[in-house]
Amino acid sequence: ETAVFQTPNYHVTQVGNEVSFNCKQTLGHDTMYWYKQDSKKLLKIMFSYNNKQLIVNETVPRRFSPQSSDKAHLNLRIKSVEPEDSAVYLCASSYWVQNTLYFGAGTRLSVL
Amino acid sequence: AQSVTQPDARVTVSEGASLQLRCKYSYSGTPYLFWYVQYPRQGLQLLLKYYSGDPVVQGVNGFEAEFSKSNSSFHLRKASVHWSDSAVYFCVLSPGGNNKLTFGQGTVLSVIP
Repeated sequence: ETAVFQTPNYHVTQVGNEVSFNCKQTLGHDTMYWYKQDSKKLLKIMFSYNNKQLIVNETVPRRFSPQSSDKAHLNLRIKSVEPEDSAVYLCASSYWVQNTLYFGAGTRLSVL
Repeated sequence: AQSVTQPDARVTVSEGASLQLRCKYSYSGTPYLFWYVQYPRQGLQLLLKYYSGDPVVQGVNGFEAEFSKSNSSFHLRKASVHWSDSAVYFCVLSPGGNNKLTFGQGTVLSVIP
């Protein structure tokens, strides 16, 4: 049963545009994450938020910014997309004191 | 620094055959290890996890994994695969149990009839 919800499923856009992806979890977790998965399936942590506080920012470009209104929501905004941003963006959540992550189905971004 | 290596990028097996997906880790402390599976167009789902105790851990859908400290390995096994097991499998390390996970490169499993 899905408990981490991501929208949209797919997004196609052009270079230079701004995009936003949404993520909501209904598990009561206090920590949420954004991962980038490239075409070779490699996963890279981008951000994590614990109780609305940014914990990790793994040297992603500054055009990426996470936005959190509460511990159940973590959105991702890309200010001016580049071709290399084409990927699947996976949202996940967990309890801070635990290490089992629950993932959403992902948002596939294609930049033309 | 820690790392996880899945030496087989792709594995193809016949339906009904046994399966082993290999995972090697590097970490000087106590490793917490996981296997996740990603079905097409879906997110990652937890198959099983190892914290301590019995080195053989059971997971969902008949999967099991064996931890070996001497070999720094955490191989995934299944006695008889089904076509629906076709997916990408990730071995994951949690150093000391925290949530700063290290993912392996993934192994694409194809089950053929």
